[in-house]
Amino acid sequence: KNEVEQSPQNLTAQEGEFITINCSYSVGISALHWLQQHPGGGIVSLFMLSSGKKKHGRLIATINIQEKHSSLHITASHPRDSAVYICAVNLSLGGSEKLVFGKGMKLTVNP
Amino acid sequence: DGGITQSPKYLFRKEGQNVTLSCEQNLNHDAMYWYRQDPGQGLRLIYYSQIVNDFQKGDIAEGYSVSREKKESFPLTVTSAQKNPTAFYLCASSIFGTGYNEQYFGPGTRLTVT
Repeated sequence: KNEVEQSPQNLTAQEGEFITINCSYSVGISALHWLQQHPGGGIVSLFMLSSGKKKHGRLIATINIQEKHSSLHITASHPRDSAVYICAVNLSLGGSEKLVFGKGMKLTVNP
Repeated sequence: DGGITQSPKYLFRKEGQNVTLSCEQNLNHDAMYWYRQDPGQGLRLIYYSQIVNDFQKGDIAEGYSVSREKKESFPLTVTSAQKNPTAFYLCASSIFGTGYNEQYFGPGTRLTVT
């Protein structure tokens, strides 16, 4: 069983829709990351959170530590939001931190 | 502008040849990481380095080697011992010792071995 599970694996939406991407994890963590990977391959960090909620523009990330679950919400979606969204969790590794990644969720937003 | 550079973006090699992927950062980060990404799989950690002249194996280190002679540089060599080297390789860096740390990623190198 993967330590980080994302759902759905693929999602197609129409421009303007509200989108939710889910991430569940099975181990104790110190932090959770949401990352965005565009078709060219480069990865951008969207959020790092350990509790509660964070908002940046049209993106909102929430985490429930007790339930080991996080969601990434995109309001008023736009075709430029089309990307792979990756959830990753921080695990302790020999005094440093190791990231364990989910497989990612491919989002396509049609105009 | 601070950031991480990886070169080249695309790399083609013949089977049996060693190849070195470059990763440079000017963020003054102590820690650097190499990941491999295959279709349908999450990123997997190959090697990481927390400080100059020191590095540790990640989950899939077999067939790879690294060096960390300078804080800014963490090159990865894919050796002929790596059974399935064709993949997308990502380098990342972070501040070491902050408890939990945000990792900054480079643009990646897509390696194709035929």
